[in-house]
Amino acid sequence: KAGVTQTPRYLIKTRGQQVTLSCSPISGHRSVSWYQQTPGQGLQFLFEYFSETQRNKGNFPGRFSGRQFSNSRSEMNVSTLELGDSALYLCASSDFLGNYGYTFGSGTRLTVV
Amino acid sequence: QKEVEQDPGPLSVPEGAIVSLNCTYSNSAFQYFMWYRQYSRKGPELLMYTYSSGNKEDGRFTAQVDKSSKYISLFIRDSQPSDSATYLCAPNYGGATNKLIFGTGTLLAVQP
Repeated sequence: KAGVTQTPRYLIKTRGQQVTLSCSPISGHRSVSWYQQTPGQGLQFLFEYFSETQRNKGNFPGRFSGRQFSNSRSEMNVSTLELGDSALYLCASSDFLGNYGYTFGSGTRLTVV
Repeated sequence: QKEVEQDPGPLSVPEGAIVSLNCTYSNSAFQYFMWYRQYSRKGPELLMYTYSSGNKEDGRFTAQVDKSSKYISLFIRDSQPSDSATYLCAPNYGGATNKLIFGTGTLLAVQP
């Protein structure tokens, strides 16, 4: 059974640019969540999509957005990149409720210079 | 006050030791409690989940939740060097509120 796949693994972008990250969940999982991990703040919830609808949202500015496609694949976009957006972005997939755990991908390491 | 507090460590123990990792939380609405393990340059991996108060055992790992004191523990018996990783506690509200609140994580090093 394939795991959660995130692409690309590494990205270097310049301040002011925008970036799109991709996540393919485990087959059959319809919930996809995104998290930002930094040394200072740890893992922080960005948003969660279920059946193409954003179901939950964390406390991040509007520059962070996402979407989910009919095949459950998800993308997140960060516009007008800032140095502080440098982080590991993790995607996690689960069944409807996620009460029995989430499966994470290996993440996309974004560096903003 | 953070919703989930966890001692960041690092915690260094000799191989074979019993390890105790702990978290406290402030929100009594949390219903499901998960422990994740994260190796360097990898995503978190689910180790254990527990619903409400009580104990759950899986091999060398035991998860314990005390909702009355808002205290979560993970015990590792006969620790191995391969257990060296960051351990994250993550309560969940349950239902359709799919949002994990992670502790800062405890870095564990098991010395051979």
